[in-house]
Amino acid sequence: KAGVTQTPRYLIKTRGQQVTLSCSPISGHRSVSWYQQTPGQGLQFLFEYFSETQRNKGNFPGRFSGRQFSNSRSEMNVSTLELGDSALYLCASSGLAGEDTQYFGPGTRLTVL
Amino acid sequence: QKEVEQNSGPLSVPEGAIASLNCTYSDRVSQSFFWYRQYSGKSPELIMSIYSNGDKEDGRFTAQLNKASQYVSLLIRDSQPSDSATYLCALGEGSQGNLIFGKGTKLSVKP
Repeated sequence: KAGVTQTPRYLIKTRGQQVTLSCSPISGHRSVSWYQQTPGQGLQFLFEYFSETQRNKGNFPGRFSGRQFSNSRSEMNVSTLELGDSALYLCASSGLAGEDTQYFGPGTRLTVL
Repeated sequence: QKEVEQNSGPLSVPEGAIASLNCTYSDRVSQSFFWYRQYSGKSPELIMSIYSNGDKEDGRFTAQLNKASQYVSLLIRDSQPSDSATYLCALGEGSQGNLIFGKGTKLSVKP
């Protein structure tokens, strides 16, 4: 079974721009969670989608948004990029409603200049 | 606010030894706990999950959970240089897709 895929793997943007990251979960998985990982803060939860609905959201500004499509693929968007948004963005999928074991994709490394 | 605490390390052990990684958490109602391994520049890889008090073994790995003490640990037997990585402890918040991670413990296994 193929794992979680994320595109692009690397991205360089400048301050003020916006970016869209994509995540395809493991086949059959309907829950997709997004995390930001930085050396200082570690892994921090952004939001989670299940069946196209955002069920949970972390403590991030409204510049961070996401959505999920009917095929469970998910995108996250960051608008008006700031230098501090430079991070590894990880998505994770889990299988069944109520099962919280998460499997991570390879991540997207975002650098904001 | 729920918190997960890990010693950042580095924890250095010789090849063949037992590595012991520890994690404490602040929330008494958490029901699910996870250990992930993350190599430098890579994404976290699930090692195991544990839900009940006691030990759970998978190959060279043993997770131990003590909910009364709010403590979860990971033992790695016969440590290998390939086990050198950062080990992340996480607790789950049920089915809402939010794992709370510790900052991780960096393990170095010396040949």
